Amino acid sequence: AQKITQTQPGMFVQEKEAVTLDCTYDTSDPSYGLFWYKQPSSGEMIFLIYQGSYDQQNATEGRYSLNFQKARKSANLVISASQLGDSAMYFCAMRDESNTGNQFYFGTGTSLTVIP
Amino acid sequence: DVKVTQSSRYLVKRTGEKVFLECVQDMDHENMFWYRQDPGLGLRLIYFSYDVKMKEKGDIPEGYSVSREKKERFSLILESASTNQTSMYLCASSLRPLAGKYEQYFGPGTRLTVT
Repeated sequence: AQKITQTQPGMFVQEKEAVTLDCTYDTSDPSYGLFWYKQPSSGEMIFLIYQGSYDQQNATEGRYSLNFQKARKSANLVISASQLGDSAMYFCAMRDESNTGNQFYFGTGTSLTVIP
Repeated sequence: DVKVTQSSRYLVKRTGEKVFLECVQDMDHENMFWYRQDPGLGLRLIYFSYDVKMKEKGDIPEGYSVSREKKERFSLILESASTNQTSMYLCASSLRPLAGKYEQYFGPGTRLTVT
């Protein structure tokens, strides 16, 4: 069963505008973590932001914020003031904190293109 | 800085060959993971290991095996490479706490082509 769903294969945003990348997840475990990663064309995976299932406030890291709606099981990434360097693939991931290995589940990704 | 290294960035092998992909991390992480990444499919977990000599199957273990003899090293083995195993292979490592902001750290990836 798909644990992480990213429904936007590709997104475009004008430079300096904000953009929201969607992510929904599926788990029955009360303890889990949600992550967003960026993968530029060079291929490396860069960790952006984390949200714990018990965190009361939405996570923020600079221009990145996570819109966490627990009841709807969504964890959307908001990038404010988009820059050309934000063009990349973005992956949402969930760590299941119930099993021994803390397995991560990744979505299929969203390709973001920032237009000058 | 956490560093995860993979033995090759690019690899070309023939069908039927035995292929070894090596991954080494230098931060004493308990967990190590092997993924393959294909366009439109995201990252799919092949195997992971939460301790030396321990391994668990991920979503797509068929055609692969793994070895973890030392904590810092996790090897992915393609017993008899096939063309449908042409892909980008990513290794990752992480701490194994009960909960918290313990993200995975990724290697640069190995692009394997099987001809």
